[in-house]
Amino acid sequence: DSGVTQTPKHLITATGQRVTLRCSPRSGDLSVYWYQQSLDQGLQFLIQYYNGEERAKGNILERFSAQQFPDLHSELNLSSLELGDSALYFCASSGDRGIGYTFGSGTRLTVV
Amino acid sequence: DQQVKQNSPSLSVQEGRISILNCDYTNSMFDYFLWYKKYPAEGPTFLISISSIKDKNEDGRFTVFLNKSAKHLSLHIVPSQPGDSAVYFCAASDYGGSQGNLIFGKGTKLSVKP
Repeated sequence: DSGVTQTPKHLITATGQRVTLRCSPRSGDLSVYWYQQSLDQGLQFLIQYYNGEERAKGNILERFSAQQFPDLHSELNLSSLELGDSALYFCASSGDRGIGYTFGSGTRLTVV
Repeated sequence: DQQVKQNSPSLSVQEGRISILNCDYTNSMFDYFLWYKKYPAEGPTFLISISSIKDKNEDGRFTVFLNKSAKHLSLHIVPSQPGDSAVYFCAASDYGGSQGNLIFGKGTKLSVKP
């Protein structure tokens, strides 16, 4: 157990739907990062939050949004889902020093 | 445009031999490099890192070499063990700059055969 908890582990949904992925960071970590891993792709950085505020944005689609709550857990919202959104979505957290992440085990999203 | 490239999607090595995984980067502002290992159905786990002020960092069987002039780093695993079979991701960041997030390569799948 890495200390980073992601739920659900698997999600199957239809095109056009909306889903929410949840992440609880490791205790004490203020930063949360979201990454997408599609087939044959590396880990694509989506977005980072630090202590409730958006810190950096990567290749995140406008249909996707995220937030970090006061208890530091984070949610990634994916809407108007398309087949191409099927992927593994990883959450990671880091402490103030920010060097190196601890990853969760991911949520596998399948859009049918 | 990929800033971190792992050009070998896969590598097969005999148990006991050396595994060498390579990574190239294009952004000269990167000042910190990390290697992560990923088993199926698990998230990536941190393996070893190196700062740009060093050219080598060793941790047990794992050694990372950094060649800044060539913008190249490599991970050496000696001796390789079947349990090392996993996908290895190279990652980079410019922690001294504005980009604190990690940029990952596409990964290299290592298979260590008994």
